[in-house]
Amino acid sequence: DTAVSQTPKYLVTQMGNDKSIKCEQNLGHDTMYWYKQDSKKFLKIMFSYNNKELIINETVPNRFSPKSPDKAHLNLHINSLELGDSAVYFCASSQDLRPSRGQPQHFGDGTRLSIL
Amino acid sequence: SQKIEQNSEALNIQEGKTATLTCNYTNYSPAYLQWYRQDPGRGPVFLLLIRENEKEKRKERLKVTFDTTLKQSLFHITASQPADSATYLCALDSTGGGNKLTFGTGTQLKVEL
Repeated sequence: DTAVSQTPKYLVTQMGNDKSIKCEQNLGHDTMYWYKQDSKKFLKIMFSYNNKELIINETVPNRFSPKSPDKAHLNLHINSLELGDSAVYFCASSQDLRPSRGQPQHFGDGTRLSIL
Repeated sequence: SQKIEQNSEALNIQEGKTATLTCNYTNYSPAYLQWYRQDPGRGPVFLLLIRENEKEKRKERLKVTFDTTLKQSLFHITASQPADSATYLCALDSTGGGNKLTFGTGTQLKVEL
């Protein structure tokens, strides 16, 4: 059973298009995240949700909009795609971030987004 | 701002030797530090967590140390095997609370026969 699954695995599209990436976790976790890993392999947090509530919102262009219909799902919608959006996007989940910190995060295998 | 540094150059070692990877950080005093393994085309996989009041943590062939004075963590793999070849990432809890992690850029380890 896949713990954190993302779809699609690959996404190739034209500049200016709108696209979505879906993420689902079956671990019963309360918190989910989106990360971006650039070509230099630097992994940076974008958003996190706890029980459908936005907790972390880094300095990300507002073309990126996360949506959490329930605590097992966190989708990422990107409007007006730009060349610089090309990267690997990872979804992750962890147990409730409150009250304790330092919970391990479980990652999906990423969505490779290429903008032509 | 927080800065995390890991050896950017790949580390090549012989099978059976101990691999030691370094994670240095500045401008922060993290409450904990985590280590992850990432294989090509896969997401990071959690390995170990060590808290600020712990000096050392072990799990099978893995050992992590945490020196808050030096602001450094060392990650050791003893009796290394080719299957240990991967990129290893350290991650620190970030200012801002919650479970927000800041990752280093990772060190690629290659274990040769």
